[in-house]
Amino acid sequence: QVQLVESGGGLVQPGTSLRLSCEASLFTFSDHAMHWVRQAPGKGLEWLAIISYDGRNSYIAESVQGRFTVSRDNSKNTLYLQMNSLRLDDTAVYYCARDPHSGGWWYFDLWGRGTLVTVSS
Amino acid sequence: QSALTQAASVSGSPGQSITISCTGTNTDVGGYALVSWYQQYPGKAPKLIIYEVTKRPSGVSRRFSGSKSGNTASLTISGLQAEDEADYYCSTYAGTGVVFGGGTTLTVL
Repeated sequence: QVQLVESGGGLVQPGTSLRLSCEASLFTFSDHAMHWVRQAPGKGLEWLAIISYDGRNSYIAESVQGRFTVSRDNSKNTLYLQMNSLRLDDTAVYYCARDPHSGGWWYFDLWGRGTLVTVSS
Repeated sequence: QSALTQAASVSGSPGQSITISCTGTNTDVGGYALVSWYQQYPGKAPKLIIYEVTKRPSGVSRRFSGSKSGNTASLTISGLQAEDEADYYCSTYAGTGVVFGGGTTLTVL
């Protein structure tokens, strides 16, 4: 079925790095811009990043700019989120989400199930 | 960008209608026709239920409708059902990315 599956989460120490992956299935991944959204435990949703269909353009939310980067490999139908200098408040479930348009219409018509990142010493 | 403002909770009885408001500014909600709404059950991923202010994705019940006036967007759920009990989030493009509301928990009494 059409789906997104995140992986790469886990328990990490503050100051370390982690790379999340999101594999797309049964749709043309390269036709869509993609996003990352996170949700801290018991909290609301926070948008993190967008990358265009071809990976040439991306934008990172100010709250994580300078620490997080987004990339994609269309040959592998996979989206990535590189997270550096992780902090305690980065603890959250991280979702990848599909944009209905190649350049970004800024909403999310398909979500993965999420991967939990826990930052703790 | 500041989060959009939503009531923390709302409740209604089966069969009733409820409206959830989402208030922003003229640089987000009021500036673009890109308000969307998401339904989220505990422990599950969000699901798109309204996009571009008023449009419903295929498969979403007609009981869900969206609107906007000025800097405030609204989600109305008519004919409340027990299965509607969930968290609801609004979001919109805000010029430098996406901003979400804080979320509203709907309780069906």
